Amino acid sequence: SQQGEEDPQALSIQEGENATMNCSYKTSINNLQWYRQNSGRGLVHLILIRSNEREKHSGRLRVTLDTSKKSSSLLITASRAADTASYFCATDANDYKLSFGAGTTVTVRA
Amino acid sequence: SQTIHQWPATLVQPVGSPLSLECTVEGTSNPNLYWYRQAAGRGLQLLFYSVGIGQISSEVPQNLSASRPQDRQFILSSKKLLLSDSGFYLCAWNLGRHTGELFFGEGSRLTVL
Repeated sequence: SQQGEEDPQALSIQEGENATMNCSYKTSINNLQWYRQNSGRGLVHLILIRSNEREKHSGRLRVTLDTSKKSSSLLITASRAADTASYFCATDANDYKLSFGAGTTVTVRA
Repeated sequence: SQTIHQWPATLVQPVGSPLSLECTVEGTSNPNLYWYRQAAGRGLQLLFYSVGIGQISSEVPQNLSASRPQDRQFILSSKKLLLSDSGFYLCAWNLGRHTGELFFGEGSRLTVL
């Protein structure tokens, strides 16, 4: 079953703008991860944030985690055409297993 | 460096035919191995995972089975495909018990006609 739910389902922005997407989950977690998927390809790991962390940065990516609200956000700053992809959050509900949401499809217009 | 190979990339099969998708990881030992399925426009559904040779955990009862004949080889099979088995199948691996970063293959797109 899917634990993470991303919002919005789709997002269209102009190149150079920021893109923000959210993830909500239901049970307690050890960590939350964000992945990117280009059309027809495998997923690529972007960033992992542990349950005792509140914010993490990696290049143009900023992830926040609010365990009291069971939610996370992914911000992509200064978007580029190459950022066009689907973005998924994933949570480890139990050992060994990651549960993925349905994803947010981001389109960056030139 | 570690790499993951998944094949075939694309497969069109008739209903009732068998299936075999293979996944091999190189450059690491004793990985956790996973099979996910992704329906069009949807998230990933975990089908099977394995923490060692011959150890398979099934997440969803279905028409599929998995085997791990070697440490770094994971196979997804079916004896008789159904239309509902169509989808994008992804193999992935990681290390350790507490789930860290997953490394995915490029996927196998299966169409059952």
